[in-house]
Amino acid sequence: DARVTQTPRHKVTEMGQEVTMRCQPILGHNTVFWYRQTMMQGLELLAYFRNRAPLDDSGMPKDRFSAEMPDATLATLKIQPSEPRDSAVYFCASGLVTGQPRDEQFFGPGTRLTVL
Amino acid sequence: KQEVTQIPAALSVPEGENLVLNCSFTDSAIYNLQWFRQDPGKGLTSLLLIQSSQREQTSGRLNASLDKSSGRSTLYIAASQPGDSATYLCAVIWDSGAGSYQLTFGKGTKLSVIP
Repeated sequence: DARVTQTPRHKVTEMGQEVTMRCQPILGHNTVFWYRQTMMQGLELLAYFRNRAPLDDSGMPKDRFSAEMPDATLATLKIQPSEPRDSAVYFCASGLVTGQPRDEQFFGPGTRLTVL
Repeated sequence: KQEVTQIPAALSVPEGENLVLNCSFTDSAIYNLQWFRQDPGKGLTSLLLIQSSQREQTSGRLNASLDKSSGRSTLYIAASQPGDSATYLCAVIWDSGAGSYQLTFGKGTKLSVIP
């Protein structure tokens, strides 16, 4: 069955290292979202793409975070250099957005990132 | 700016009880509202989506209502079961201007159903 996949599921790294998280959206979906979940802030929208073009990344710290969609089957979220405060669960979601209220998002299992 | 609040933050009920989870939002100009369930260590599962023109949606023992004018949504769970124990989040999808599509989550209600 169709689902959003994310890799890796868990990542432990040291401060200053580069981290790349990957997401494969559901085939046919035109929009991909990146979220970050922490205990303090809950779920926050970092960025999203429509038809592979970045539409909004205002929730993302620009100095160290970058998000791309090299093709329709792959979205990446990169942190360079990583810091302990980046430790969180990062979720990818995809949806077929038509601008209608029926639009729905489907979430991947998340990547749990720990920066030491 | 849209703000979403969920009350209570945690709820514990005995099995079999009916319960209501609350979600409030500050800007009534929304596209839709979505309720999710999150199990520990797992991703989010969509439960119900209510379009802005709808008043409620039902799926099995779940019923979600939407009152845009008052900025409120409720998730009603009938005959609760231990398997319903999870964190429930509501998310509001809204237009932040110039067709920019935003989604804001509440911080969730952690539900424990005691056998």
